[in-house]
Amino acid sequence: AQTVTQSQPEMSVQEAETVTLSCTYDTSESDYYLFWYKQPPSRQMILVIRQEAYKQQNATENRFSVNFQKAAKSFSLKISDSQLGDAAMYFCALYDSGTYKYIFGTGTRLKVLA
Amino acid sequence: GAVVSQHPSRVICKSGTSVKIECRSLDFQATTMFWYRQFPKQSLMLMATSNEGSKATYEQGVEKDKFLINHASLTLSTLTVTSAHPEDSSFYICSASVGATTEDTQYFGPGTRLTVL
Repeated sequence: AQTVTQSQPEMSVQEAETVTLSCTYDTSESDYYLFWYKQPPSRQMILVIRQEAYKQQNATENRFSVNFQKAAKSFSLKISDSQLGDAAMYFCALYDSGTYKYIFGTGTRLKVLA
Repeated sequence: GAVVSQHPSRVICKSGTSVKIECRSLDFQATTMFWYRQFPKQSLMLMATSNEGSKATYEQGVEKDKFLINHASLTLSTLTVTSAHPEDSSFYICSASVGATTEDTQYFGPGTRLTVL
């Protein structure tokens, strides 16, 4: 079975500092996609970043970047220069190309301290 | 681009009544739409997957006669909670993808909070 694990229920970061959110996954597929979604208090799920498993280069979107370690099945999210607006729940998700479904982790609540 | 809307954003109903929630892809055609349920401080739980013009595929444990899903067009899917009970109170989120390919990104609606009295 495919699983996604986020072992940090909650994290805090000082404004302007850097924080890394952890995600590990398990899949038997060779071709898959990984995502980080942000869910602010409004509950709207917002795509932060996506990574194709066949690409060795880590994805980057402005202040957000990932550390994708395929052999270790690890997919962490780094947020640089944290801003108050980054405070949210962050969900890691694995796209199952066999069933076309997302498998979500349990989420990490990020608090940004002023 | 890739905007998904949901209506209503909040609904309160009496026990025993039915409630319909609409999910629309505003600027793209969504071959596949997904319905999730989210309990407070928990992750998203997939309820069902719907493809335009065909019957929805429900996840194990989800009652298809209680949660009716219709995907009548490439831009609209509806979830009807029939004979709602207080335990159906939850946050319901839909998402849409362009097609069931191997690389599909899902775009999420803003969610609907259902409260059953």
